[in-house]
Amino acid sequence: DTEVTQTPKHLVMGMTNKKSLKCEQHMGHRAMYWYKQKAKKPPELMFVYSYEKLSINESVPSRFSPECPNSSLLNLHLHALQPEDSALYLCASSGVGGIRVYEQYFGPGTRLTVT
Amino acid sequence: LAKTTQPISMDSYEGQEVNITCSHNNIATNDYITWYQQFPSQGPRFIIQGYKTKVTNEVASLFIPADRKSSTLSLPRVSLSDTAVYYCLVGDMNTGGFKTIFGAGTRLFVKA
Repeated sequence: DTEVTQTPKHLVMGMTNKKSLKCEQHMGHRAMYWYKQKAKKPPELMFVYSYEKLSINESVPSRFSPECPNSSLLNLHLHALQPEDSALYLCASSGVGGIRVYEQYFGPGTRLTVT
Repeated sequence: LAKTTQPISMDSYEGQEVNITCSHNNIATNDYITWYQQFPSQGPRFIIQGYKTKVTNEVASLFIPADRKSSTLSLPRVSLSDTAVYYCLVGDMNTGGFKTIFGAGTRLFVKA
């Protein structure tokens, strides 16, 4: 199974709401990633977890809070977002070590709209 | 991290071979080259990866000259369904740093 699943597919939230994005993989990968992608732009790395520990935080605002409850699950908790945070949020997973990190498997993304 | 430069867009016709070149003049000795494909409203999909010379799989070929300052993704006999954005990435193979940075990508449009 080489599938990464993400829920929900679409999310509309107000600036005062709290919501969560979920990501799941069953490929035994021990690295998981969150990316943000705006229209007609490349994906931008936000967070990386390695062995369930936060490895990289690309200076993401604190209104985005990642969580990795176990090796298969990755969450992104959202609170007090701004309209400019509207984007496609992508989750990915990969093996750990050497070039394996560059063979990432992506989910279909969550289309987030902040009103 | 080596910076990559690709053409912004390319057009082709069905059945033609398409070559997309990526420039990475500052590539380091330990860097590998990876290509991804992305369709609208989907996540990127890994296509191919290489270090030097030529790599081929069921989807594409990757040509890397001896100086490794560029690489060319070759898609044989494209079809309409190959219309997508293609990204070239360069990253270290030894430290396995997780910091993957996508370049601007090349929008390929295949016409009938």
